[in-house]
This record gives sequence, C-alpha cells and structure tokens, in this order.
Amino acid sequence: AQSVSQHNHHVILSEAASLELGCNYSYGGTVNLFWYVQYPGQHLQLLLKYFSGDPLVKGIKGFEAEFIKSKFSFNLRKPSVQWSDTAEYFCAVRLSSSNTGKLIFGQGTTLQVKP
Amino acid sequence: DAGVIQSPRHEVTEMGQEVTLRCKPISGHDYLFWYRQTMMRGLELLIYFNNNVPIDDSGMPEDRFSAKMPNASFSTLKIQPSEPRDSAVYFCASSPNRGRNEQFFGPGTRLTVL
Repeated sequence: AQSVSQHNHHVILSEAASLELGCNYSYGGTVNLFWYVQYPGQHLQLLLKYFSGDPLVKGIKGFEAEFIKSKFSFNLRKPSVQWSDTAEYFCAVRLSSSNTGKLIFGQGTTLQVKP
Repeated sequence: DAGVIQSPRHEVTEMGQEVTLRCKPISGHDYLFWYRQTMMRGLELLIYFNNNVPIDDSGMPEDRFSAKMPNASFSTLKIQPSEPRDSAVYFCASSPNRGRNEQFFGPGTRLTVL
C-alpha cells in the first residue's frame, strides 16, 4: 500500500536556525506532492505543492521543497525559521493515476521554534 | 468564497448521545473529504465523496459512524451512539475535480464526548 513517512516527529529549533523536514513516499508512479501547515488551534493550510516541472518548489512564508524522484523524497526547507513558524507540518501525496483527489498524509512533524 | 464551512466549531456531549457534524464545501468543488485528527493517530481519512457519491468509506471506524451528502453543498457526519474515544477534531475538506487539485480544509469541529 502507498504510504508517506515523515521522519521527524518533533523538531525544536531556535529562531534563525535552518529547517529541513523529511518526507518520503512509497509509490513508483507519478505523484503530486504537497506540504500543509497547521498552526496551533487552526485548520490545515497549503504551504506549497509540486505537480511537474522544476523540482524545487517555492511556497508561502519563505518555505521551499525539493522533489528528488530517485529518492522518493519531498523535503521541506526554510533557511531561517521564526517563532511564528511553530506549527505542525504535514506532507501529502496524491497518486496522479488515481484521479480520485484522495491525498495520503504523513504522520506530521511538530515544529517548535524557541524565541 | 467563504471557504469550507463546518458547524458546530465545538461540541461537547455525553456518551451515548447522537452527534451530527456538518460541512459546506466550496462551491463548485466535486470532492468532499471527512478527516479525524487525534494526538494518538494523527490525521485519518474517514470517507470521501465525488459528486455526492461515497467513493471510499474504508476509514470509517465502525458502524456507529455514517456520512451523507444529499446535495453538492452539504454533507453530514453522524456518530450514534457516541463514545469518549470519538473525541477528536473532525475536519472536512473539498477539492475541485479537475486540474491541479489541492484540498481546502475547513476550520474543524472539536468534539468532546464525556
């Protein structure tokens, strides 16, 4: 079965530190990839998405992600985090061939940024 | 557009009571998804609809849970009877049928079953 794995369950950083959150998926076909963010007490919001083209995708709030097909990975990065980035981050995959709109979500990574 | 609308935002009920959660998707979106989020299990897909038809309900935990979508602008998730382990945040999301489809999430309903 297809799955999405986020390696880091809980990450604690100081402000201005660089961030990289790992995401790997298990599926050999064409995929669409997403990162969602959930701020405390709020709903999930889209950070960025990849469908095709340049594997380096830029999203909102200075986030970017790189799709490495050979590694089945879509890691999220930010060069300098802020306290306001404290949130839970979800990686999600949609199988392009499925045509169902269904997303497979990872377990989530909680990011805590210390001021 | 107002986005995905869910009601109520908070629900506190007693074990054994019936609970109905409501969702209004974004107009024009053909897919509707119900998720449950808990600390223990994370984000779980319960069921989703396409053009008001349930496509995959394999995530529905048991027969106490049911979902309907009587028309394109309304869906309900019902729990009868409710149990304390049903306490969670329930999210509804919708997405368009064509194009590069992301899901748009509603604000969620925080359910507490005492």
